[in-house]
Amino acid sequence: DTAVSQTPKYLVTQMGNDKSIKCEQNLGHDTMYWYKQDSKKFLKIMFSYNNKELIINETVPNRFSPKSPDKAHLNLHINSLELGDSAVYFCASSPALRDRGRGTEAFFGQGTRLTVV
Amino acid sequence: DQQVKQNSPSLSVQEGRISILNCDYTNSMFDYFLWYKKYPAEGPTFLISISSIKDKNEDGRFTVFLNKSAKHLSLHIVPSQPGDSAVYFCAADSGGSYIPTFGRGTSLIVHP
Repeated sequence: DTAVSQTPKYLVTQMGNDKSIKCEQNLGHDTMYWYKQDSKKFLKIMFSYNNKELIINETVPNRFSPKSPDKAHLNLHINSLELGDSAVYFCASSPALRDRGRGTEAFFGQGTRLTVV
Repeated sequence: DQQVKQNSPSLSVQEGRISILNCDYTNSMFDYFLWYKKYPAEGPTFLISISSIKDKNEDGRFTVFLNKSAKHLSLHIVPSQPGDSAVYFCAADSGGSYIPTFGRGTSLIVHP
């Protein structure tokens, strides 16, 4: 029973296309994230949603848009895909921010490898 | 602007020995530090964390040490096992952000 699941696992698409990556968590967490792992292997935060509200939006192109239909889902939509968007995208979730003194231990999905050709 | 740095991209250790993975940070506002472990084709999994009010946290074979004055933390794995072979990410966050900033990871290989 996967805690954080994202689909698809692999996505190959042509430049200019629009695509979506879905993410679902069954942990009852309040916060969900999207991270991008680029060719240099850094994990960079893209978006974070807390109780369906966007609480941080790093400097990502507006071609990327998160959509959260409910607390358990945070989907990533990408318009007009570019070659530089090729990367592995990770969805994650964590409990309420610093709840009861805990830190932001996040649970990650298995990743979606996006290849733009 | 790398606020969390893992300067060793890889580390090779013999089974049974100690593995020491290092991490440096530049943001003095960071007050919570985490280590994640990642196997190929999987997402990172949380391993161990430490608050800035402590200088050591231990969980089984894994111990994290924090040196705030040096802005340095390290993960010790004793004894190392082949199953520990993975990429280890250091992460840090602050009370103002709550969004962890990750390093680029260190690939640990434990030889039988």
